[in-house]
Amino acid sequence: AQKVTQAQTEISVVEKEDVTLDCVYETRDTTYYLFWYKQPPSGELVFLIRRNSFDEQNEISGRYSWNFQKSTSSFNFTITASQVVDSAVYFCAFISNFGNEKLTFGTGTRLTIIP
Amino acid sequence: DAGVIQSPRHEVTEMGQEVTLRCKPISGHNSLFWYRQTMMRGLELLIYFNNNVPIDDSGMPEDRFSAKMPNASFSTLKIQPSEPRDSAVYFCASSLSGTRTDTQYFGPGTRLTVL
Repeated sequence: AQKVTQAQTEISVVEKEDVTLDCVYETRDTTYYLFWYKQPPSGELVFLIRRNSFDEQNEISGRYSWNFQKSTSSFNFTITASQVVDSAVYFCAFISNFGNEKLTFGTGTRLTIIP
Repeated sequence: DAGVIQSPRHEVTEMGQEVTLRCKPISGHNSLFWYRQTMMRGLELLIYFNNNVPIDDSGMPEDRFSAKMPNASFSTLKIQPSEPRDSAVYFCASSLSGTRTDTQYFGPGTRLTVL
C-alpha cells in the first residue's frame, strides 16, 4: 500500500528565511507520481508541481524548488526568501501507476511566515 | 480560462435536510473527482468519474451520499438526509485525461455545516 508522510506538522519562519518542507513516501512500485499542493487561508487547493518516478532532476520555479531523491524516497519542497504570502498548508501527494490506487495525500504542513 | 467552479461556497443546514453540492469541471477535462476534507481524516476521495461514468465510488461513506454527472460540464453530490458528522469542506477536482495519475485541479470547495 502507498503511504505519504509529512512529519512536520507546523513550521514558522521569519520572512526572507529559506524553509524546506519534507515529504517521504512508501511504495513497492517503480512507476509513480508525486505532487505538491498549496492550501492558503482562503481554503482552495492550488496545484504546484507533478513529477514522475523516472525524472529525478530537481525542479526550480522562481523561489520554489523541489528535490526528488529516490534513494531516500523523498520529495522535499524548498521556498527561498520566504514571503508572508507563502503562509499556507502544503500537501504532498502520491499515486502509483499500477492498480486502482487513489491519490494519497499527506497530512499537510502548516507554514507560517512571520513578518 | 475558468478553473473548477463549485457552488455554493458555504452551506449551513439542519440535520435531516437534503444538501446538494454542485461542480462544473474545467472545460475539456474528462475526469471529475469529489473529495471531502476534515481535520480528523484529511482529504478523502469520495467518488471518481471518467467521461461522465462513475468509476470508483468506494469512498462514498454510506447510502445517504449520492453523486451524478449527467453531462461533461456538471456534477452534483447529494446528501440526504444530512447529519452533523457530514460537516466538512467538499472539493471537486477535474483532470484532463482518464488516467488516475494525471494532475487534478481543484475547485474552491464548499464548506458544509450541518447543525
